[in-house]
Amino acid sequence: GAVVSQHPSRVICKSGTSVKIECRSLDFQATTMFWYRQFPKQSLMLMATSNEGSKATYEQGVEKDKFLINHASLTLSTLTVTSAHPEDSSFYICSASLDKYEQYFGPGTRLTVT
Amino acid sequence: QKEVEQNSGPLSVPEGAIASLNCTYSDRGSQSFFWYRQYSGKSPELIMFIYSNGDKEDGRFTAQLNKASQYVSLLIRDSQPSDSATYLCAVFPGQFYFGTGTSLTVIP
Repeated sequence: GAVVSQHPSRVICKSGTSVKIECRSLDFQATTMFWYRQFPKQSLMLMATSNEGSKATYEQGVEKDKFLINHASLTLSTLTVTSAHPEDSSFYICSASLDKYEQYFGPGTRLTVT
Repeated sequence: QKEVEQNSGPLSVPEGAIASLNCTYSDRGSQSFFWYRQYSGKSPELIMFIYSNGDKEDGRFTAQLNKASQYVSLLIRDSQPSDSATYLCAVFPGQFYFGTGTSLTVIP
């Protein structure tokens, strides 16, 4: 149980384009989904927290107009990186929470912006 | 002061030994504590969580929590080469905070 999927697993895009990453909880309804970014040899950095049907809460320093989050249902959240630039290249990981005490991670999406 | 602190390592132990990973946290209101394992290039996977003071055992893994000292640890008994990974500590005082992780290498 508690399986979270992400799609795509890898994406390469050109600078200036937008990329959408999907995060799905496959066997449970997630009250909350989280989006993280991880640069090489660094820990997870929380970008935003999203609850179904409401606006995402962004961490300080994360541009909400650049990283658009939509949490359309209890099993699906999407992150769109708009006007991507090479410095946005990173490992993006979502997680879904069964309740406020546990969260389960998706496999991650490696984004490369050329 | 960081919310969660871990020794970055690397920590090396021989196969079959006990690996001890430590984590301290700053928020006394933290309610739950988690250990995740992350292999290189992969996302974290939950190993254990603990809510109450004391020890919690699950197979070869034991989590230890001391709220008075704001300290949580993970012991891995009979370490295997497959345990080589980065171990992330996370605490939940209302939101999740992750440590920077400890890199563990188990030497065959």
